[in-house]
Amino acid sequence: QSVLTQPPSASGTPGQRVTISCSGSSSNIGSNTVNWYQQLPGTAPKLLIYSNNQRPSGVPDRFSGSKSGTSASLAISGLQSEDEADYYCAAYDDSLNGVEFGGGTKLTVL
Amino acid sequence: EVQLLESGGGLVQPGESLRLSCAASGFTFNKYAMSWVRQAPGKGLEWVSGISHSSGSTYYADSVKGRFTISRDNSKNTLYLQMNSLRAEDTALYYCAKDLNTYGPGYFDYWGQGTLVTVSS
Repeated sequence: QSVLTQPPSASGTPGQRVTISCSGSSSNIGSNTVNWYQQLPGTAPKLLIYSNNQRPSGVPDRFSGSKSGTSASLAISGLQSEDEADYYCAAYDDSLNGVEFGGGTKLTVL
Repeated sequence: EVQLLESGGGLVQPGESLRLSCAASGFTFNKYAMSWVRQAPGKGLEWVSGISHSSGSTYYADSVKGRFTISRDNSKNTLYLQMNSLRAEDTALYYCAKDLNTYGPGYFDYWGQGTLVTVSS
């Protein structure tokens, strides 16, 4: 069982806006920043959002992140077929002294 | 261009040991923390271990504490993971990941392609 809870699946049609939630606790999301990773099929993960809402260079502004209390969310606007991937949230956990990943959300573009 | 090249994976029996390596290039290795992250077949990501830029601090997931040891050789730009007392549940693709932080573990801006470890009798 992951310390960070994500819905196992999400879906949307091209052009739509979808959001993926990530729920944690005071020892992880509540006291540390949240990062999001995208894993396309058969490839290594890629950093998508760091420090709650910062995008690395090269990541389209269609991707955005937010955090409130012990929860965070990833929003993807103008959904495209190439966004079909697994998405993981992650945060440092002060109690466990390590990084915790969410269980992952498989995004399907219908 | 940042490159992380893992090696050392393979098929081992339960209880045996394995040492993974990650050769880094394209950035100043001794300035960044590094981590190992694994992914069991068909499963999600699991952070395994991290090490600060100068090896002063090391971090482990509870699932590997006491069995795995992370280390680095900044003169060789190489990260290591010594895995002892391997179990079937350690079977996974092991990724080497560069941290954006110096002391880490924090967030990982570059990842290798992974090396597969299979523990089976």
